Amino acid sequence: EPEVTQTPSHQVTQMGQEVILRCVPISNHLYFYWYRQILGQKVEFLVSFYNNEISEKSEIFDDQFSVERPDGSNFTLKIRSTKLEDSAMYFCATTRGFFRTDTQYFGPGTRLTVL
Amino acid sequence: KNEVEQSPQNLTAQEGEFITINCSYSVGISALHWLQQHPGGGIVSLFMLSSGKKKHGRLIATINIQEKHSSLHITASHPRDSAVYICAPNKETSGSRLTFGEGTQLTVNP
Repeated sequence: EPEVTQTPSHQVTQMGQEVILRCVPISNHLYFYWYRQILGQKVEFLVSFYNNEISEKSEIFDDQFSVERPDGSNFTLKIRSTKLEDSAMYFCATTRGFFRTDTQYFGPGTRLTVL
Repeated sequence: KNEVEQSPQNLTAQEGEFITINCSYSVGISALHWLQQHPGGGIVSLFMLSSGKKKHGRLIATINIQEKHSSLHITASHPRDSAVYICAPNKETSGSRLTFGEGTQLTVNP
């Protein structure tokens, strides 16, 4: 069964450094999401992306964050200058379409630790 | 007050028991998703509901749109069902993004 993959599985970085988290969506999926989960807390929406544009973003997704689909396969989340509070598990999810009833397929997550 | 409330927060059961997890929400929704988060962190979609009831194996999900309430039932529970179960509606005022509940930690003992 096709899967969403994410790399790296764990990233450790120093505060202030830039990180790029990568996601490879299921091949015929067109709509992409990033969510994050701070340890012990609920999952929170960051951003959704369709047709090379941001569709929606939350208040968490400030100017330090950006997303792009650089090569037609990868979908990336960049954090320009990491803060301690960015430490979390970051999940990519993808759907075939953009209907609210579409199943979201989640990647295994990237655990980001900011020191 | 949270827009999505799940109960109970924690649930411990003996193998074979019938499990019910509840979800109440205070906003208008277009659909509601139930997800399972494994101990390793991975998230799997179980159901999407916009009305009525769905069944998949030992799992049953129901929704009452008028009462703004959904339930997830597990029949004949098994230790491998131990996970966090999360209710996540699509709000009418949002696109397709999910709004996650806090989750219910289920532990099924043999």
